[in-house]
Amino acid sequence: DIQMTQSPSSLSASLGDRVTITCRASQGISNYLAWFQQKPGKAPESLIYAASSLQTGVPSKFSGSGSGTDFILTISNLQPEDFATYYCQQYNSYPLTFGGGTKVEIK
Amino acid sequence: QVQLVESGGGVVQPGRSLRLSCAASGFTFSNYGMHWVRQAPGKGLEWVVIISYDGSNKYYADSVKGRFTISRDNSKNTLYLQMNSLRAEDTAVYYCAKGSSGIVGATYFDYWGQGTLVTVSS
Repeated sequence: DIQMTQSPSSLSASLGDRVTITCRASQGISNYLAWFQQKPGKAPESLIYAASSLQTGVPSKFSGSGSGTDFILTISNLQPEDFATYYCQQYNSYPLTFGGGTKVEIK
Repeated sequence: QVQLVESGGGVVQPGRSLRLSCAASGFTFSNYGMHWVRQAPGKGLEWVVIISYDGSNKYYADSVKGRFTISRDNSKNTLYLQMNSLRAEDTAVYYCAKGSSGIVGATYFDYWGQGTLVTVSS
């Protein structure tokens, strides 16, 4: 199975900040990497697929990069609605696997 | 717009069975693969199973293989998850998620349902 490791597991940031979250795969997954946002008590929402492509309706403040084993999610100009937990997930091979999540909190 | 509505969750004793449903609308259900993903209380996301657009291909997580069965009824636009021999560690919110294509390879989730809670407890 491919292990997905996210870092940090949590971070504190201020309104207007830019934050980055990293995700590392235990083996190469090309660009078969997705990112999700989850707010407390809510279902996950899809943000990015193919490492850097935005899902329909997702604002351009979210961006993704990377290929192979190392990936980054960047969130610009943090706003109150962006404070949530973010997960990466590989879909290169089964079983599909998720990272452990990164909780973005208000400083 | 795409809507996925899960139902069938509840409290069940260990060893018993439960069937979840996911009613889909807003897209051509019979063209897309579908997934179940679960989340134990306070934990991260765990992929459970996928079924291809026509039901011919399925992949299961090892944690549920042999106990859970995914199926679909394209005439009713509905996805199912039959869960047998339930264990305490199956306690979770179960989400159905739409795949980005009809096949099982290289398909990502693009839409999620709101989830249904399954609690396995005596």
